[in-house]
Amino acid sequence: NAGVMQNPRHLVRRRGQEARLRCSPMKGHSHVYWYRQLPEEGLKFMVYLQKENIIDESGMPKERFSAEFPKEGPSILRIQQVVRGDSAAYFCASSPPLHYNEQFFGPGTRLTVL
Amino acid sequence: SQKIEQNSEALNIQEGKTATLTCNYTNYSPAYLQWYRQDPGRGPVFLLLIRENEKEKRKERLKVTFDTTLKQSLFHITASQPADSATYLCALDIGAYNTDKLIFGTGTRLQVFP
Repeated sequence: NAGVMQNPRHLVRRRGQEARLRCSPMKGHSHVYWYRQLPEEGLKFMVYLQKENIIDESGMPKERFSAEFPKEGPSILRIQQVVRGDSAAYFCASSPPLHYNEQFFGPGTRLTVL
Repeated sequence: SQKIEQNSEALNIQEGKTATLTCNYTNYSPAYLQWYRQDPGRGPVFLLLIRENEKEKRKERLKVTFDTTLKQSLFHITASQPADSATYLCALDIGAYNTDKLIFGTGTRLQVFP
């Protein structure tokens, strides 16, 4: 059973471009979470999704950021018009459809904005 | 405001000793608390989950305690090994019913030397 997969592992964008980060949860997992980690800082919750639904997006910046988890295919975190402050490691995690479970993290996408 | 505190300074211990890491929180009443391990350049890996009605949980050389009165969790690694060197994160659930929203501490870096 493959773990959580994220791609790309490294992404370089220039200011103003768009970044699309993909996450494929573990087989059988219907819950997906996105976190951002800045250097020397902890993981910050961004958004929690189930298939075709955004459950909690309270950690998402109000502008330029969006997330989706379609019925088919990976979850996508999209950042429009990137700025230098968006440079960070973005982690996706998944969990099975029962609550109070551990989250399984992917290897992360390291976004660098030039 | 919500706050989770972990020792920001690195913990250096000798191989074979017991490492004890602390996680303190304020303004929460979490249903459960989790501990994760994170190695440089990698995603966090789940270690242990302890529920609010549990005082202690063990798994091999790991032990977690959870004191909801003190709002504190202690994480112990007995007979520590150099391979245990990593950053350890505690996480609390703060989601409303039927959501699994985690808040992470900034982590404590453990260094076990031979």
